[in-house]
Amino acid sequence: DADVTQTPRNRITKTGKRIMLECSQTKGHDRMYWYRQDPGLGLQLIYYSFDVKDINKGEISDGYSVSRQAQAKFSLSLESAIPNQTALYFCATSDSARTPRQFFGPGTRLTVL
Amino acid sequence: KQEVTQIPAALSVPEGENLVLNCSFTDSAIYNLQWFRQDPGKGLTSLLLIQSSQREQTSGRLNASLDKSSGRSTLYIAASQPGDSATYLCAVGGGGSNYKLTFGKGTLLTVNP
Repeated sequence: DADVTQTPRNRITKTGKRIMLECSQTKGHDRMYWYRQDPGLGLQLIYYSFDVKDINKGEISDGYSVSRQAQAKFSLSLESAIPNQTALYFCATSDSARTPRQFFGPGTRLTVL
Repeated sequence: KQEVTQIPAALSVPEGENLVLNCSFTDSAIYNLQWFRQDPGKGLTSLLLIQSSQREQTSGRLNASLDKSSGRSTLYIAASQPGDSATYLCAVGGGGSNYKLTFGKGTLLTVNP
């Protein structure tokens, strides 16, 4: 079983719709991250969370919000999707007590029409 | 602002060849450097992490080196195999903390049988 799972894996939506991407992990890690990847570009950090009560903005948080429902769950929401949010979205985790190594989920491909 | 560059953008080699992927970064005040592998539809896999105090790390046929003062890292792959075909990403942990990763755009490696 995958340690970091993301749902849905693919999503097509229309401009103006609200959508939520979900991430769950069974690694027991305290830190969780959301990234987006655009074709030909490096990954960019959207939000990160050190624990349930500690959520922080990353480089490109405008237009996004997050919720850390439990240590194992971290959701990313697009309140009103726009076409330039079409991208590949990744969730990642790390364990602050051990190593800064980050472990990634399989990604969600989001298309906004 | 940290910038990470990976050269070459794409590389095609015959099976069995030894090869080197390059990564350079502009700010030497880093905590760590990580190499990832990205396969289509499978997200990122962490390959190696080098702490800023280390010079190299090895895992199987992979060896990564770090020269902080010159802002460079290399990933050496010995005896390449078709299964090594993937995009390899370099990410630098810095910006005042070890969790904040800045990614390069990656090198697309194709190993031909």
